[in-house]
Amino acid sequence: QKEVEQNSGPLSVPEGAIASLNCTYSDRGSQSFFWYRQYSGKSPELIMSIYSNGDKEDGRFTAQLNKASQYVSLLIRDSQPSDSATYLCAVTNTGTASKLTFGTGTRLQVTL
Amino acid sequence: ETGVTQTPRHLVMGMTNKKSLKCEQHLGHNAMYWYKQSAKKPLELMFVYNFKEQTENNSVPSRFSPECPNSSHLFLHLHTLQPEDSALYLCASSQGHPGATEAFFGQGTRLTVV
Repeated sequence: QKEVEQNSGPLSVPEGAIASLNCTYSDRGSQSFFWYRQYSGKSPELIMSIYSNGDKEDGRFTAQLNKASQYVSLLIRDSQPSDSATYLCAVTNTGTASKLTFGTGTRLQVTL
Repeated sequence: ETGVTQTPRHLVMGMTNKKSLKCEQHLGHNAMYWYKQSAKKPLELMFVYNFKEQTENNSVPSRFSPECPNSSHLFLHLHTLQPEDSALYLCASSQGHPGATEAFFGQGTRLTVV
């Protein structure tokens, strides 16, 4: 059974701090890794994708991948109340989106 | 207008009813998906269509019947559902060729079976 594990949270961080969200996966053949943000009652929105070991930065977001440790993380710098949402980690071991496996998500709360 | 549009946004149906969920994507993608999202559980992939052909049926009960008339439209026909089928049903699309791993979601249909 291929699994993606996330701490459900809530993860509470003060405004302006760095939020660190973590994800582990069981399938060593995983090739592509994604972070989706889902506001309550809304659909998941793709915010980051990463395909190779190391860091990938996009604005306030940094995705980090360590395939040897089967670990992917998302850092959110200068956290804002609008970042409060559930963050879903997703991985796939194929070259297409058809085999995406999702974690249950981590709920992030950014406090004033 | 979002790239992937789902209707209706909310649906309440009895266990003996027949209803359909509709999804339309305006992104020029060739692959479309149905996912089920229940509380406290990961997103569950239900069906995959690639270039209008069903390529994945993830052991979904036959009371859920998908239809994909073309690469832009996807339906999920529902009949004799159970209360445990109440969930958020999400449609997604992506490019259908190898290497296209990014999927984009519609707003979802919140289904309640009574």
